[in-house]
Amino acid sequence: QSALTQPASVSGSPGQSITISCTGTSSDVGDYNYVSWYQQHPGKAPKLMIYEVSNRPSGISNRFSGSKSGNTASLTISGLQAEDEADYYCSSYRSTNTQVFGGGTKLTVL
Amino acid sequence: QLQLQESGPGLVKPPETLSLTCTVSGGSISSRSYYWGWIRQPPGKGLEWIASIYYSGNTFNNPSLKGRVTISVDTSKNQFSLKLSSVTAADTAVYYCARHGKWTFDYWGQGTLITVSS
Repeated sequence: QSALTQPASVSGSPGQSITISCTGTSSDVGDYNYVSWYQQHPGKAPKLMIYEVSNRPSGISNRFSGSKSGNTASLTISGLQAEDEADYYCSSYRSTNTQVFGGGTKLTVL
Repeated sequence: QLQLQESGPGLVKPPETLSLTCTVSGGSISSRSYYWGWIRQPPGKGLEWIASIYYSGNTFNNPSLKGRVTISVDTSKNQFSLKLSSVTAADTAVYYCARHGKWTFDYWGQGTLITVSS
């Protein structure tokens, strides 16, 4: 079961905005709005940041936003802060009744 | 506040069966709105969904694990469990349990490292 495709790394300076892409297929990202994004700091469990493409759970900063176009979903972080430095994973529902994650993207705040 | 806690042996010999249990507290595993799943992460690598189960026993498995997975639920203990058979070194990973609704994992356990080695 192949993973969704994410860039291995992205970087940005404090205050800037960055976007992480997540490319799938018409069997997952392209056909379903069940795309989520997770933040993971070293040695910690993943934390839900965005669900159903663009929704933020309670308590998540509005600096985090999600979108989708075709087979590619995107996570944008605006006003970068040092504590945003982490690994980010996308995930999607994939037909039939399976779940797939992206390979992960390491965000470095310069 | 919902909490999930994984428990397991830490070390498993190949080709034995890995067994893990997730204990849910602060909420009921019999909630009709959620599934309960297992996800793993090999050291230095990405996340992989393993399987999910509903309180009624309905299950979904990752086909890439080729029938080695058994997931079960014990509503009386508010627990669900994972068995992975015929393990190899490639199964060494941190194993997480998590709750999901509509394929969004919103609550996670802290994870437990399982090492497969003779």
